[in-house]
Amino acid sequence: DTQMTQSPSSLSASVGDRVAITCRASQNIRKFLNWYQQKPGKAPNLLIYEASTLQSGVPSRFSGRGSGTDFTLTIDSLQPEDFATYYCQQSYNTPLTFGQGTKVEIK
Amino acid sequence: EVYLVQSGAEVRKPGESLNISCKPSGYTFTSYWIAWVRQMPGKGLEWMGIIYPGDSDTRYSPSFQGQVTISVDKSISTAYLQWSSLKASDTAMYYCARSRDGYLNWFDPWGQGTLVTVSS
Repeated sequence: DTQMTQSPSSLSASVGDRVAITCRASQNIRKFLNWYQQKPGKAPNLLIYEASTLQSGVPSRFSGRGSGTDFTLTIDSLQPEDFATYYCQQSYNTPLTFGQGTKVEIK
Repeated sequence: EVYLVQSGAEVRKPGESLNISCKPSGYTFTSYWIAWVRQMPGKGLEWMGIIYPGDSDTRYSPSFQGQVTISVDKSISTAYLQWSSLKASDTAMYYCARSRDGYLNWFDPWGQGTLVTVSS
C-alpha cells in the first residue's frame, strides 16, 4: 500500500495567517494527489485534485503544489470557515489511501 | 446538481446483518464509480472499495475484502454496503462518494454519511 503521511497533525493559527500542510507519499505517485476539507459532523469536501487543480467553487486562497512524493496545501489568509481537518488522498494505485489528517484550530 | 443521499443511522447487535444504501441523483447512475469510505469515531478516512454500477466491477481494499460486500441495484439506481455479521469494531460513520472518471480518482461529491453503531 502507498502510505500517506501528513504534517503537522494539528496546528493553531489566527484569522489572516498563511498556513501550509504537507503530505508525503511512500512512493512516487506522480501528480495523483487530492485534498479534502472536513468540518465536524460533515462529509469531506473536495478542495484540490491532481495536486494543483482547484475544484470549482473552492475559494482561490486554497492552492496545492507538488509531484512525486511531496505535496503541499496552502491556505492564504485563513478565514473563520477554514478551521477544519484536512486530508490528502492518493489516487495513483489501489488501495486508495488517505493521510491521517491535519486539524487546523483557532489560536 | 449531483447529490448522493444515504440511508439513515442504524443500531445493531454484534452478529447481525446490515445493508446501508446510497442513492445518487443528478447524473447517469451507471456512468460513474461509487466508493465507500469508513471513518471510525475520532479517526481518519479509510477507502473500503469501489464499484462501477454499469457492470458491477468491484475493487476492495485488502483491509475490507471479505468483511463487507459492495453491490448495486441498477433498477433503482442505488448502491449498497453490506455486512453479514457485524462486529463492535464496525461502529463508524460510512460515506459513499462518486469517483470522477474511473476508480483511480478523486471523490466528489460525497453522501452525508450513515452512522452505524454496533453494540450489545
